[in-house]
Amino acid sequence: GQQVQQSPSSLVLQEGENAELQCNFSSTATQLQWFYQSPGGSLVSLLSNPSGTKHTGRLTSTTVTKERRSSLHISSSQTTDSGTYLCAPRTNTGKLTFGDGTVLTVKP
Amino acid sequence: GALVYQYPRRTICKSGTSMRMECQAVGFQATSVAWYRQSPQKTFELIALSTVNSAIKYEQNFTQEKFPISHPNLSFSSMTVLNAYLEDRGLYLCGARLGSQNTLYFGAGTRLSVL
Repeated sequence: GQQVQQSPSSLVLQEGENAELQCNFSSTATQLQWFYQSPGGSLVSLLSNPSGTKHTGRLTSTTVTKERRSSLHISSSQTTDSGTYLCAPRTNTGKLTFGDGTVLTVKP
Repeated sequence: GALVYQYPRRTICKSGTSMRMECQAVGFQATSVAWYRQSPQKTFELIALSTVNSAIKYEQNFTQEKFPISHPNLSFSSMTVLNAYLEDRGLYLCGARLGSQNTLYFGAGTRLSVL
């Protein structure tokens, strides 16, 4: 089945610094979603990006489909960005497989 | 925008009892609904995927006998955890797919504790 590797597993930044999160997956994906999980557990969809580059606010996702990898760039990080970032490729059967996530801590 | 509402947000049940959780798509019709579980210290695992006009497909390690799902219409789904034990603790998320879009929208989840 699909294997998803995220790196780094944790990241600590000072407010204002940028973050680069990586996601590698083993099988072809028709979609690639990045999620944010708050400390309380709620899951929020950040970006859906099957290929190429997509922006929203301070977030930029770049997915290289052929190489089965995606990255999430967070610019000018804020303390409210702290939480877990999950990558989830989706197969053509509709199944999302989640990585273990990157735990981001942004210090003031 | 697309919203998914889950109820209850938190619940506690005694070991060996059952617990039902609900998932409502608000403002859109969900062509498919996926139920996921995040056990303590783990990532999300797919329990089952329910697609319109198709049978509910359960993942390995999850069965209809343990996690029966009802999907009576395009905006509502419910799942029951039967005979819950400690290993069933965790956050249960419902994800709904809007129309032909490839994006899954998740609810806030139901956190299950088992005593």
